[in-house]
Amino acid sequence: GQQLNQSPQSMFIQEGEDVSMNCTSSSIFNTWLWYKQDPGEGPVLLIALYKAGELTSNGRLTAQFGITRKDSFLNISASIPSDVGIYFCAGDRSGNTGKLIFGQGTTLQVKP
Amino acid sequence: EAGVAQSPRYKIIEKRQSVAFWCNPISGHATLYWYQQILGQGPKLLIQFQNNGVVDDSQLPKDRFSAERLKGVDSTLKIQPAKLEDSAVYLCASSYNRGDEQFFGPGTRLTVL
Repeated sequence: GQQLNQSPQSMFIQEGEDVSMNCTSSSIFNTWLWYKQDPGEGPVLLIALYKAGELTSNGRLTAQFGITRKDSFLNISASIPSDVGIYFCAGDRSGNTGKLIFGQGTTLQVKP
Repeated sequence: EAGVAQSPRYKIIEKRQSVAFWCNPISGHATLYWYQQILGQGPKLLIQFQNNGVVDDSQLPKDRFSAERLKGVDSTLKIQPAKLEDSAVYLCASSYNRGDEQFFGPGTRLTVL
């Protein structure tokens, strides 16, 4: 089936460092989403991208929708301890169906 | 505004037993989703409802899984009989309409022994 490949699988960084993670696919997606999941909770939407080339920020988070529509990346600047969690990319092939395909996740740990 | 509610939060059963999960979406949300999240993986969409109708259930193992949303509000997901590989977190999500932001509940963690 369709897959989204996320990398890296995990990251262990120092507080204050910047973080970058990405998501790639062999198929075109018309919507890219980035979620964060804390232990024992459901994923929470961080950023939504709807147009190829779009660059969107949400506080210290910045995400881009790749020009080819087959990839996306998420950057976190000046990481803080509460950034700890699992970050998932998700895509909607049609763009407006709600039928999301999720990546495998990137686990982020931040050392104070 | 209340979020998506799910119960129970945890369930432990033996293989071949039956189990049911309940979800109450955000009020006014027409679209409801059930996802399966196996440990170490991202959520996988099992079924999508629009009001009380099924939009997509292509990834639902229909020989053992069933779901309903009879009055277009809350929903139940049932597994009968359960297998060891069904051990996972079952997440419910809802959105105002298809394609809108999905809000997730806390999930039900199922362990099949």
